[in-house]
Amino acid sequence: EDQVTQSPEALRLQEGESSSLNCSYTVSGLRGLFWYRQDPGKGPEFLFTLYSAGEEKEKERLKATLTKKESFLHITAPKPEDSATYLCAVQALDAAGNKLTFGGGTRVLVKP
Amino acid sequence: DSGVTQTPKHLITATGQRVTLRCSPRSGDLSVYWYQQSLDQGLQFLIQYYNGEERAKGNILERFSAQQFPDLHSELNLSSLELGDSALYFCASSARPDLNKMNTGELFFGEGSRLTVL
Repeated sequence: EDQVTQSPEALRLQEGESSSLNCSYTVSGLRGLFWYRQDPGKGPEFLFTLYSAGEEKEKERLKATLTKKESFLHITAPKPEDSATYLCAVQALDAAGNKLTFGGGTRVLVKP
Repeated sequence: DSGVTQTPKHLITATGQRVTLRCSPRSGDLSVYWYQQSLDQGLQFLIQYYNGEERAKGNILERFSAQQFPDLHSELNLSSLELGDSALYFCASSARPDLNKMNTGELFFGEGSRLTVL
């Protein structure tokens, strides 16, 4: 069974204080690893897709990296508007349809 | 705005009752997904439809059912409701996969329907 574990569960940062979120996964064969952002009371919003170890993607202050066992989401010089829950999800090669297995998320709070 | 519309936004009902949640996918998207999000379980995949046909099933209870209609909107029916069914229910849609199936995890989520069972 596919499993995704995210750590830490919560992260409090000062504005400008860079940090990293971790996503460890177990999957029979990885089709893709996905990062989403979720604001309170909203649906998740797609950020990145990573397909193979060594791949990196960047968007503004966010950078996602992938190894064979985990992915990191680096937040560089965060701003208060980066406060959100960040969700990691995996899709297995043999996944029926396009099923995604999500981790529990990391709640990030950036204080000014 | 993701382009996915869900109704109702909030729903309060009693145990034993039945409710229907509705979802309109983004224009042109053929796939619809239903996810349940609760505090202790996180985001759990329930079911996927593609162009009217069931494509994948997750841990969806037998008391729950879904369908996708010819106009591509979808409904999730929850019956014999229990306290533990209280959760946010999200609908998502996705574009037709490209030839390399490189975008199959890019889902567009609605804002959810918050169900409270009392």
